[in-house]
Amino acid sequence: SYDLTQPPSVSVSPGQRATISCSGDKLGDKDVCWYQQKPGQSPILVIYQDMKRPSGITERFSGSNSGNTATLTISGTQVVDEADYYCQAWDSSTKVFGGGTRLTVL
Amino acid sequence: EVQLLESGGGLVQPGGSLRLSCAASGFTFSNYAMSWVRQAPGKGLEWVSALSGRGGSTYYADSVKGRFTISRDISKDTLYLQMKSLGAEDTAVYYCAKDQDMFFGSSSGEDIWGQGTMVTVSS
Repeated sequence: SYDLTQPPSVSVSPGQRATISCSGDKLGDKDVCWYQQKPGQSPILVIYQDMKRPSGITERFSGSNSGNTATLTISGTQVVDEADYYCQAWDSSTKVFGGGTRLTVL
Repeated sequence: EVQLLESGGGLVQPGGSLRLSCAASGFTFSNYAMSWVRQAPGKGLEWVSALSGRGGSTYYADSVKGRFTISRDISKDTLYLQMKSLGAEDTAVYYCAKDQDMFFGSSSGEDIWGQGTMVTVSS
């Protein structure tokens, strides 16, 4: 089975840039999605096909994917961005999620 | 308004069965791939199963293959997940999610999620 690895936690100061990585074998050959989930809420799609933003998602969210690593970048991080973030990829007729990264803004 | 509403969760004994439902509204149900995703208490997201729009091809995670069956009733705009031989490892919140595309492998992501329904497997 295909595995996606994310750091368990990332901390950032308000106004700074946050980067969350997602690693997998030849991940750059696949399309990656990113989801945001706040406590007690359902996930929200923030990036799809590596770098596209769904309607209504702030431009502060951006994505990239190359080699073995995909990256979610949040510019000008705000307290409201504090959440769990999950990467997702499609492989061999299944979808796989990374283990998730808790973003703390402090 | 585009909406998904899950139901059918509850407490079930190990080895038991349960059927989850997901009622869709606000979009043409048959035009989009649909997925079930679960989240065990305090854990991350796990993709469970999906069904493509139009043709209705089905896909399953290895962890549920042979035990879970995804299906839909287009006339009722409803997605189902029939679960059998349930074990403690199946305890989770189960989310229904709509893909942005008709095809499951399009990598467009799931843009609409339900609120989830809790399944607890315990004696």
